Amino acid sequence: SQKIEQNSEALNIQEGKTATLTCNYTNYSPAYLQWYRQDPGRGPVFLLLIRENEKEKRKERLKVTFDTTLKQSLFHITASQPADSATYLCALDGSNYQLIWGAGTKLIIKP
Amino acid sequence: GAVVSQHPSWVICKSGTSVKIECRSLDFQATTMFWYRQFPKQSLMLMATSNEGSKATYEQGVEKDKFLINHASLTLSTLTVTSAHPEDSSFYICSAGKRRQNTEAFFGQGTRLTVV
Repeated sequence: SQKIEQNSEALNIQEGKTATLTCNYTNYSPAYLQWYRQDPGRGPVFLLLIRENEKEKRKERLKVTFDTTLKQSLFHITASQPADSATYLCALDGSNYQLIWGAGTKLIIKP
Repeated sequence: GAVVSQHPSWVICKSGTSVKIECRSLDFQATTMFWYRQFPKQSLMLMATSNEGSKATYEQGVEKDKFLINHASLTLSTLTVTSAHPEDSSFYICSAGKRRQNTEAFFGQGTRLTVV
């Protein structure tokens, strides 16, 4: 079955550094991949979508890569700030317009 | 982006009672809405997919008679947890798509249900 893995351990990064989160998947070839941010007690908020024919996507301080050979996506936040602290979820397109979700990685940016 | 409003944001109810959660798309028509359940530090678990004007499609293991979903219009879907029990306590989130295609999902704020 399809499986998505995100690092379950929290990632601690010093303010100003680049934070890199990983999303690996198996038994699947998605047409696109999405990244979301979720704050405690809130619903996820869409950040970026990258398609299978795109290697890289950028939005302000965010950058996403998509390696269909490695079956991996990397999510980068440059010049990280304490306000970037949140849980970041990756999701793949599934059947019937559904999304298949990773468990998320908690990012903590320390001042 | 599109706005999805979910209400209430939190609710406490007694065991055995029913609770209704509303999900509204405020500035677009949502042909498809999804209902998720999320336990602490876990992934979003899809419960059901509702399409306007038709019966919801439930994921395996989700009791359709316990979690009633109604998608009567293009802007409103409701989830009713019937005869709630403490094990139903969780964070419930809805999301809506703008079209019948795979694009970004827009989520409601979520509802924290506590059954005592």
